[in-house]
Amino acid sequence: KAGVTQTPRYLIKTRGQQVTLSCSPISGHRSVSWYQQTPGQGLQFLFEYFSETQRNKGNFPGRFSGRQFSNSRSEMNVSTLELGDSALYLCASSLAGQGSYNEQFFGPGTRLTVL
Amino acid sequence: DQQVKQNSPSLSVQEGRISILNCDYTNSMFDYFLWYKKYPAEGPTFLISISSIKDKNEDGRFTVFLNKSAKHLSLHIVPSQPGDSAVYFCAASAASGNTPLVFGKGTRLSVIA
Repeated sequence: KAGVTQTPRYLIKTRGQQVTLSCSPISGHRSVSWYQQTPGQGLQFLFEYFSETQRNKGNFPGRFSGRQFSNSRSEMNVSTLELGDSALYLCASSLAGQGSYNEQFFGPGTRLTVL
Repeated sequence: DQQVKQNSPSLSVQEGRISILNCDYTNSMFDYFLWYKKYPAEGPTFLISISSIKDKNEDGRFTVFLNKSAKHLSLHIVPSQPGDSAVYFCAASAASGNTPLVFGKGTRLSVIA
């Protein structure tokens, strides 16, 4: 079974631009969650989508948004990029989603650098 | 307010010895706990989990212990191998409450040959 895939793996943008990241979950998984990882900060939860609906949202500004398609693939968008948005963005999929007794499977991440 | 804390940013252990990674949590609603391992340039990989109805779960060289009264869990790796060198994240959720996983900041384990 193929794992979680994320594209692109690396991205360089400048301040003020916007960016879209993509995530394809494991086949059959309906939940996709997004996390931001910065040095020394662990994984900060951004949002979760389940069956095309946003089910949970973390404490991030409205510049961060996402969506999920009918095939469970998900995209995350960040508008008006700031230097502090430089991070590793991780996507995770699971069968039943957050708040259930099942683990999440992570993709390799997209390394975003904002100059 | 950090609900999941890994107070040791790093740990060094000799190959063959035991590695003990610790994690504390503050939210008494948490009832499902997981450990993930992360290598550089890769996403976290699930290692082992435990629900609050248990106090121990074992999988090969990895054992997780849960002390609910102390709100503390630990991951034991025996024997430690150089390939175990990675960053380990503790995560917790209130699985019955449909809340997202909360991660600690991680502990970097170095296993020295």
